[in-house]
Amino acid sequence: TQLLEQSPQFLSIQEGENLTVYCNSSSVFSSLQWYRQEPGEGPVLLVTVVTGGEVKKLKRLTFQFGDARKDSSLHITAAQPGDTGLYLCAARESGTYKYIFGTGTRLKVLA
Amino acid sequence: EPEVTQTPSHQVTQMGQEVILRCVPISNHLYFYWYRQILGQKVEFLVSFYNNEISEKSEIFDDQFSVERPDGSNFTLKIRSTKLEDSAMYFCATRGQGEETQYFGPGTRLLVL
Repeated sequence: TQLLEQSPQFLSIQEGENLTVYCNSSSVFSSLQWYRQEPGEGPVLLVTVVTGGEVKKLKRLTFQFGDARKDSSLHITAAQPGDTGLYLCAARESGTYKYIFGTGTRLKVLA
Repeated sequence: EPEVTQTPSHQVTQMGQEVILRCVPISNHLYFYWYRQILGQKVEFLVSFYNNEISEKSEIFDDQFSVERPDGSNFTLKIRSTKLEDSAMYFCATRGQGEETQYFGPGTRLLVL
């Protein structure tokens, strides 16, 4: 079974700080998604990356897919309290229909 | 913007009872998924469905579970005889042809007593 490891599991920072969240695996994936999930709600898509080395930006969020398509990072610049939430990575196993989810990073941004 | 919808939002049932969870996919999507998330744990893949048949399923998806698309619109997950450990959030997700992104519904919170 392929696994996606996210780090850190928990992160508490002050408003205005920068942070990076990592999603790592030993396996190669066809694509990788980042989601944000609020308590009691479904994951909401932030971005999909497909090409090795790809970088995508969404306002203050920067996403990168590793060159070998085994890992990804999410960087948040000047974090705000509204960024507080659970960040999940998910990836589709090559040659399958199946997506697996990472363990999640719970971010808290303090005002 | 098109979205995936799920009903009911909450369901409470007695152990041993059957439940059916419903999902309405985004209209032109062809790949359908069910996931579950036990409280405080990660999202777990249950099953994928394409072209009116199961394309993959996890070890969680045993004989108590079934899926179907009865009317070409709704996509359902049936649990025949619920157990206490089936209590979780159940999410439907759908994906379009040639796309990599899944879009998730808001989930059904199932509580088995």
